[in-house]
Amino acid sequence: QLQLQESGPGLVKPSETLSLPCTVSGGSIRNSNYYWVWVRQPPGKGLEWIGSIYYDGNTYYNPSLNSRVTVSVDTSNNQFSLKLISVTAADTAVYFCASGQQGTAYFDLWGQGTLVTVSS
Amino acid sequence: EIVLTQSPGTLSLSPGERAILSCRASQSISSSYLAWYQQKRGQAPRLLIYGASYRATGIPDRFSGSGSGTDFTLTISRLEPEDFAMYYCQQYDSSPLTFGGGTKVEIK
Repeated sequence: QLQLQESGPGLVKPSETLSLPCTVSGGSIRNSNYYWVWVRQPPGKGLEWIGSIYYDGNTYYNPSLNSRVTVSVDTSNNQFSLKLISVTAADTAVYFCASGQQGTAYFDLWGQGTLVTVSS
Repeated sequence: EIVLTQSPGTLSLSPGERAILSCRASQSISSSYLAWYQQKRGQAPRLLIYGASYRATGIPDRFSGSGSGTDFTLTISRLEPEDFAMYYCQQYDSSPLTFGGGTKVEIK
């Protein structure tokens, strides 16, 4: 049974870089049947797709974040990661990692989410 | 970008009643590439419906989805206590993938 778990710092200073890994357990991140996703949710607000990475290495990002975001895979640790540079208070949110089946673009497995606060 | 508008913002109902949630798209969504999620407070979203009308694995049959083009509906036939939550629609027809603003189903 595939499971996802986010980790990382709960507090990041403005203008710094937010880095979050998502550990995949119960299966291999190299499994071509899945793709990997980041979604965020500001406190009390709705969901925002950040970006996706596919088995072939192709990545797709939300244009609203495109110039600041990178999603990558670390096969040695069975993780995929989010990097968001030059953060501001508007980036304060619960960050979820998620996955979906290849050939789809909805998300059928989610991590529990981790709150990241941007504050000095 | 496809904008999804969900209505109503809040639905106040009693257990056993029927809930009808609406999701309207700013442009036609081809091949019914629309999903619905349930989110309870402090939890991650859970996939309920994909392809506008297909229930995800393990989802009870009191949940049903319908619609096409720009108008989609999630129906909960008889509300159970565990169904009181937030519900979001998501389109995956075009990038960027977008979510609606959500409908809160609360106990009346």
